[in-house]
Amino acid sequence: DTAVSQTPKYLVTQMGNDKSIKCEQNLGHDTMYWYKQDSKKFLKIMFSYNNKELIINETVPNRFSPKSPDKAHLNLHINSLELGDSAVYFCASSQSGLAGGDTQYFGPGTRLTVL
Amino acid sequence: LAKTTQPISMDSYEGQEVNITCSHNNIATNDYITWYQQFPSQGPRFIIQGYKTKVTNEVASLFIPADRKSSTLSLPRVSLSDTAVYYCLVAQGQAGTALIFGKGTTLSVSS
Repeated sequence: DTAVSQTPKYLVTQMGNDKSIKCEQNLGHDTMYWYKQDSKKFLKIMFSYNNKELIINETVPNRFSPKSPDKAHLNLHINSLELGDSAVYFCASSQSGLAGGDTQYFGPGTRLTVL
Repeated sequence: LAKTTQPISMDSYEGQEVNITCSHNNIATNDYITWYQQFPSQGPRFIIQGYKTKVTNEVASLFIPADRKSSTLSLPRVSLSDTAVYYCLVAQGQAGTALIFGKGTTLSVSS
């Protein structure tokens, strides 16, 4: 009964490839997020969707494209992978879109390694 | 966007009380203060949230002075399992707010 799940857990790929990470939440939440955590543990928001609508789109390369087929799923597609994309990517969800005032529930993370 | 400053690391022993302070000098009126805990190879987990004064739950207490320019997470009687990274998040309670957790404080608890 995992609340927020991500697949895959580990992803190793070559530079220039295209890959996707999937996220699903079974909490009935309206808002989902993608975060990137670098090797120094710095955790930063990338995107946020509220009821399938993009509400946060931070300054990330346009090689990153989120897709939300429904409010329980938020996938992250990355084109032309670069070495600097290596990081742990976390998906999260919250009840509403009230970012700062809302409790976020995080998935287990996807460790992406670009060779 | 309120910027937060936390100590990079702290050390403690089992049974002690640990206080981690977060500075957020430019906190805005609409900002909430939330603390998350992250264990290795796991996603962050909510610990406690407050707006002003003191908040207490079964896990921790959060002390916020009147000027709200800082906050202190208090963990009573820590155990080895409290070894983790603790993040202070200051963000507005409205849709579309950017969220930056920063680097957090690595707490190491020894026996």
